[in-house]
Amino acid sequence: DAGITQSPRHKVTETGTPVTLRCHQTENHRYMYWYRQDPGHGLRLIHYSYGVKDTDKGEVSDGYSVSRSKTEDFLLTLESATSSQTSVYFCAIRGLAGDNEQFFGPGTRLTVL
Amino acid sequence: GQSLEQPSEVTAVEGAIVQINCTYQTSGFYGLSWYQQHDGGAPTFLSYNALDGLEETGRFSSFLSRSDSYGYLLLQELQMKDSASYFCAVSPGSGNTGKLIFGQGTTLQVKP
Repeated sequence: DAGITQSPRHKVTETGTPVTLRCHQTENHRYMYWYRQDPGHGLRLIHYSYGVKDTDKGEVSDGYSVSRSKTEDFLLTLESATSSQTSVYFCAIRGLAGDNEQFFGPGTRLTVL
Repeated sequence: GQSLEQPSEVTAVEGAIVQINCTYQTSGFYGLSWYQQHDGGAPTFLSYNALDGLEETGRFSSFLSRSDSYGYLLLQELQMKDSASYFCAVSPGSGNTGKLIFGQGTTLQVKP
């Protein structure tokens, strides 16, 4: 267990509302990632962070922003949620073994009505 | 662009051997990883190949050929609990940031 938690685990919201998902790690890992998973698309990288205040875009970053003010927390924000952002969101951290292993959190199921 | 291809579904019987193939096209390459995901769960890491050849971890083995942009995951002595989705993922790019590009996944169904 890599000590990753995500909150909330489930959320239903309405189109146009802002939503923030939180990823918290207790392992002091430098690299953190946000993915979304949709049927037929596998996991797609949204944003990632390589340190406090250091973030970069992934494959599907439009409509999402992130922040990392502390090593242990990586926040994903949907400024104005749309129905196309209904998905399961996974946070992950990169292990230290040098084999590119990532440890995933339990996921957040977000529904935008 | 970057893309990975793997079969969408594979079915096998308990005790058998199954191979899941993955071909990829990426700009830059740091390695090929495999992840397992049971229904409703989080992906879990199985293996990583940075160099050509075979890596073995218990009943699971993973192979990489960089010249062919191809890899596979081999599962031996299949058990019912191996029924899950399996994803290949590449680490692309010019810097080793650890970010992953995933294939769409292969659903493995193990039958008694």
